[in-house]
Amino acid sequence: EPEVTQTPSHQVTQMGQEVILRCVPISNHLYFYWYRQILGQKVEFLVSFYNNEISEKSEIFDDQFSVERPDGSNFTLKIRSTKLEDSAMYFCASSDNSPSTDTQYFGPGTRLTVL
Amino acid sequence: DAKTTQPPSMDCAEGRAANLPCNHSTISGNEYVYWYRQIHSQGPQYIIHGLKNNETNEMASLIITEDRKSSTLILPHATLRDTAVYYCIVSRMDSSYKLIFGSGTRLLVRP
Repeated sequence: EPEVTQTPSHQVTQMGQEVILRCVPISNHLYFYWYRQILGQKVEFLVSFYNNEISEKSEIFDDQFSVERPDGSNFTLKIRSTKLEDSAMYFCASSDNSPSTDTQYFGPGTRLTVL
Repeated sequence: DAKTTQPPSMDCAEGRAANLPCNHSTISGNEYVYWYRQIHSQGPQYIIHGLKNNETNEMASLIITEDRKSSTLILPHATLRDTAVYYCIVSRMDSSYKLIFGSGTRLLVRP
C-alpha cells in the first residue's frame, strides 16, 4: 500500500539554525500539507500546497517557514531560523482530491528538537 | 476551533466493540465526517469518512444520525493495538481542505 514517507525521523538543531524537513507524498497525489504537533498538544494545520503554490496557510506559518516541491517527488518544509518553540512533531500529508474518495494520508512525522 | 465534541477518554475490553461518539451539531450540508486515530506520537491514521449514509470498511463502521448532528465510530472487535487517540473531524471535501484536530477521545483497550 502506498504511503507518505518523511526524513529524517528526528532532527536536532541549534536555535537560529535553518532546517529542512523532507517528505515524499504518495505518487499520484496532487495536494500536500504540513501539520505540526507540539508535545502534549493538538495537531495543528500549517500549510496546504497545490500546483506549486500555497493554497492556504495558518497564522503559525509565518515568514520563517517556506515550502517547496523541488522535483516530482519531494515536498519540503524549511524553517529559516529555528526557535525553541518550533520543537514539535511535523507531519506531512497528501491527498488526491478525488470526489468522494479524497482523504489525507499522513507520514510518520519528523521530530524536531531545537536546543 | 474544532467543530466537534468528543469524550476525553473511554475504555473497552479486548474483543468487544468500541463505540466512540462524536457531536457535530453545527455541521454544514457540504461537510463530511472524518475519523482519524493517532497511536502514540505517530502520524494520524485515516479510518473512515462519510457524508450522510452509514459507512463500513475493513477497519470500522461509521454511523451518522439522520440529522447529521452526531456520529458513532464502531470498532467491532477491539484489540490492544486499537489503543489510540481517536479524532472526529468535520471538513469540506474540496480543493485544499484542511483538517482541524480537536483533543479527540483517548481509547484504552483492556486485556
